[in-house]
Amino acid sequence: ETAVFQTPNYHVTQVGNEVSFNCKQTLGHDTMYWYKQDSKKLLKIMFSYNNKQLIVNETVPRRFSPQSSDKAHLNLRIKSVEPEDSAVYLCASSLNRGRSYEQYFGPGTRLTVL
Amino acid sequence: AQKVIQVWSTTSRQEGEKLTLDCSYKTSQVLYHLFWYKHLLSGEMVLLIRQMPSTIAIERSGRYSVVFQKSRKSISLVISTLQPDDSGKYFCALWEHPSNTDKVVFGTGTRLQVSP
Repeated sequence: ETAVFQTPNYHVTQVGNEVSFNCKQTLGHDTMYWYKQDSKKLLKIMFSYNNKQLIVNETVPRRFSPQSSDKAHLNLRIKSVEPEDSAVYLCASSLNRGRSYEQYFGPGTRLTVL
Repeated sequence: AQKVIQVWSTTSRQEGEKLTLDCSYKTSQVLYHLFWYKHLLSGEMVLLIRQMPSTIAIERSGRYSVVFQKSRKSISLVISTLQPDDSGKYFCALWEHPSNTDKVVFGTGTRLQVSP
């Protein structure tokens, strides 16, 4: 059973619309991430959020913004989608504490921009 | 049921040793791709190996190689001459084709610690 939950599973929208993807982890992890998976299955990190500190990949367009209410949630908002935003978006969480390190991925959200 | 299985959650080695990380997968598709990624503490996910059932396409060469046993549905990542920089978490992943999701399914990862 996955412990990183993403909704929706799929989303189809038109250019210029706003979309929002949700991610929640129930593992008690302290860091969450959003990745964009491209057609070659390369995973590009977009954001990471740790103890209210946001680290942004500077190559991410400004129409993308993360939203976090607490350390268990990290949502992704795209203000005005463009065709090149079509991709799978993966959420992940991790805990790095001493000798223990865990990271789990969510099932992904597939975005199609028409 | 898990589609991608990495049995070992953590392992440690000494610098200079050779390491094999195991991964097994479940699929009924004829066409699929397998991947090995390395996760860095910065969050970056580095694609190391891309394997198709019929060919080998290596995204990263050098000290990385795979032992692919199609009949056993197993793909192991081999790292030769380990270095402390190899420390990190390694994920095995599966992409099935056709796929109406286009999503890569990840294993739970194996953490590697390399000591000098």
